[in-house]
Amino acid sequence: ILNVEQSPQSLHVQEGDSTNFTCSFPSSNFYALHWYRWETAKSPEALFVMTLNGDEKKKGRISATLNTKEGYSYLYIKGSQPEDSATYLCALDSNYQLIWGAGTKLIIKP
Amino acid sequence: DAGVTQSPTHLIKTRGQQVTLRCSPKSGHDTVSWYQQALGQGPQFIFQYYEEEERQRGNFPDRFSGHQFPNYSSELNVNALLLGDSALYLCASSLVVGEQETQYFGPGTRLLVL
Repeated sequence: ILNVEQSPQSLHVQEGDSTNFTCSFPSSNFYALHWYRWETAKSPEALFVMTLNGDEKKKGRISATLNTKEGYSYLYIKGSQPEDSATYLCALDSNYQLIWGAGTKLIIKP
Repeated sequence: DAGVTQSPTHLIKTRGQQVTLRCSPKSGHDTVSWYQQALGQGPQFIFQYYEEEERQRGNFPDRFSGHQFPNYSSELNVNALLLGDSALYLCASSLVVGEQETQYFGPGTRLLVL
């Protein structure tokens, strides 16, 4: 059974600072790893899909890497802005289902 | 292009009652998945429907059932509601493009069981 852990559970970051958080998994027995961004009272928004060891994806100030051999993915945010405040979740795509971590709640302090 | 829509947005039921939640997928999507999210946890997979059939099911009891219609919309039914069924229920639709499949989510239905 795949188990997805995310750390930290929450994070307070000063506006303008860069930050990163982790998604870890014990097995690489999945098809893809997804990162989602979820703002309060909105729908989860897909950020990245990664499938291969060493994958790196970037969208604006946000980027992600995948290391299936060591069992982790990092999400990086450069120069945090207030609009980056949200919960960031990773999910493993395995056998037609997404297996989710509990998320990292990011709060940007102005 | 409307995204994934869900109805109702909020719902209050009592123990033992039955509930039906509805989902309309993003235009062009043929696959619908349902998730339950309890407070402080990540979403838990309930089941996925494709071509009007349940293709995969998570670890949920038979009280949870679903249906997909020819227009790809879907319903989630929960019978004999328990207090522990109180949660946010998310619907996601998807379409496989090449080798990647991204699920697009609706805003959810928040169910409170009293």
